[in-house]
Amino acid sequence: DIVMTQTPLSLSVTPGQPASISCKSSQSLLHSDGKTNLFWYLQKSGQPPQLLIYEVSNRFSGVPERFSGSGSGTDFTLKISRVEAEDVGVYYCMQSIQLTSGAFGPGTKVDIK
Amino acid sequence: QVQLVQSGAEVKEPGASVKVSCKASGYTFTSNIMHWVRQATGQRLEWMGWIHPGNGNTVYSQKFQGRVTITRDTSASTAYMEVNSLRSEDTAVYYCARDMAVWGKGTTVTVSS
Repeated sequence: DIVMTQTPLSLSVTPGQPASISCKSSQSLLHSDGKTNLFWYLQKSGQPPQLLIYEVSNRFSGVPERFSGSGSGTDFTLKISRVEAEDVGVYYCMQSIQLTSGAFGPGTKVDIK
Repeated sequence: QVQLVQSGAEVKEPGASVKVSCKASGYTFTSNIMHWVRQATGQRLEWMGWIHPGNGNTVYSQKFQGRVTITRDTSASTAYMEVNSLRSEDTAVYYCARDMAVWGKGTTVTVSS
């Protein structure tokens, strides 16, 4: 099974400052169709996850431009250019090339300093 | 707009079964895959399985194979997820998610004697 890891597991950020989260997979997420099946979600307290980024770098509808995704193969990064108070929550990466119960990373908890 | 409305919270005894529903609206129900994901308190998200409402095809995580059944009623635009032989470790919030992009608000299932 593909194992997903994230670093850091927790992050405290000053509003207006950038933030970056790393996600690594134990196998390449590059599909034979040329797409890379890596998603990023934000889960705010008491809410379901909300999709931020799909296929590594595509922002989902309505997601602010301050969120960006990059990476390839097994190494991926989510960046927030200027963190706002509403960005607090737990960020998860997820792979869908081989869906198993462990498709999601452990999560990175982001809070405001 | 796309909306997924899930059934209400359930409390079950160990060994019982639970069936959670997810009613879709705002799009053609048979066109998009419906996933089920669960999250125990304080834990990471766990992918459970999916169904293609158009043809009824299903795929399950190996962890849940044989104990979880996902079905759909196209006339009601509703997907269902049933867990049998419940144990305390199944206490969690269960989510449906269309194409892993649009999520329901979740259904809390508590397993307790």
